Amino acid sequence: AQSVTQLDSQVPVFEEAPVELRCNYSSSVSVYLFWYVQYPNQGLQLLLKYLSGSTLVKGINGFEAEFNKSQTSFHLRKPSVHISDTAEYFCAVSELKAAGNKLTFGGGTRVLVKP
Amino acid sequence: NAGVTQTPKFRILKIGQSMTLQCTQDMNHNYMYWYRQDPGMGLKLIYYSVGAGITDKGEVPNGYNVSRSTTEDFPLRLELAAPSQTSVYFCASSYSTGGRSGNTIYFGEGSWLTVV
Repeated sequence: AQSVTQLDSQVPVFEEAPVELRCNYSSSVSVYLFWYVQYPNQGLQLLLKYLSGSTLVKGINGFEAEFNKSQTSFHLRKPSVHISDTAEYFCAVSELKAAGNKLTFGGGTRVLVKP
Repeated sequence: NAGVTQTPKFRILKIGQSMTLQCTQDMNHNYMYWYRQDPGMGLKLIYYSVGAGITDKGEVPNGYNVSRSTTEDFPLRLELAAPSQTSVYFCASSYSTGGRSGNTIYFGEGSWLTVV
């Protein structure tokens, strides 16, 4: 079984400032890693994912994340945020070889970008 | 591009009533899922299906039932609604071959359900 911990439930940040959202996971097997974003009153959409290869993954809207196997972390970063980045962000994992492509989610981090 | 469509978007139920949340996808995905989202808890998997006629329980299946008679549709039924089922429900789908994980899961816009 896996678990995902997002260390910050809320992150206020000023426009054009950088932001980092922290994600740690626990699993007894190898996993794939994902970040999803949920804009107000909408469903989730994929920001980026790590399957293999380079540990630095670039996603949509200028976001990137770095996989650190030794620290079991997958932190999300953006160097300069916009008001439109106000949303809730979810880190998730899925087991490499598990049937069903099922995701286990963290509790989410709400980002509020202030002008 | 409709993607994953859920209905209804909002519903208020009385304790003990039953209802079905409808979900359909037009991407010819073989895998479909139902998640519920509670504040601060992330999303929890209720049921999933790897193809028509095949369903399996997720993390929180109690109080729910599903069926998958076609590739496109995956309705979620709530029997004897309870206040603990007040939540936001998301249907999702993905395409996978050989049972492998890692493929992108596409979500609907959610159904807000209140049980009073």
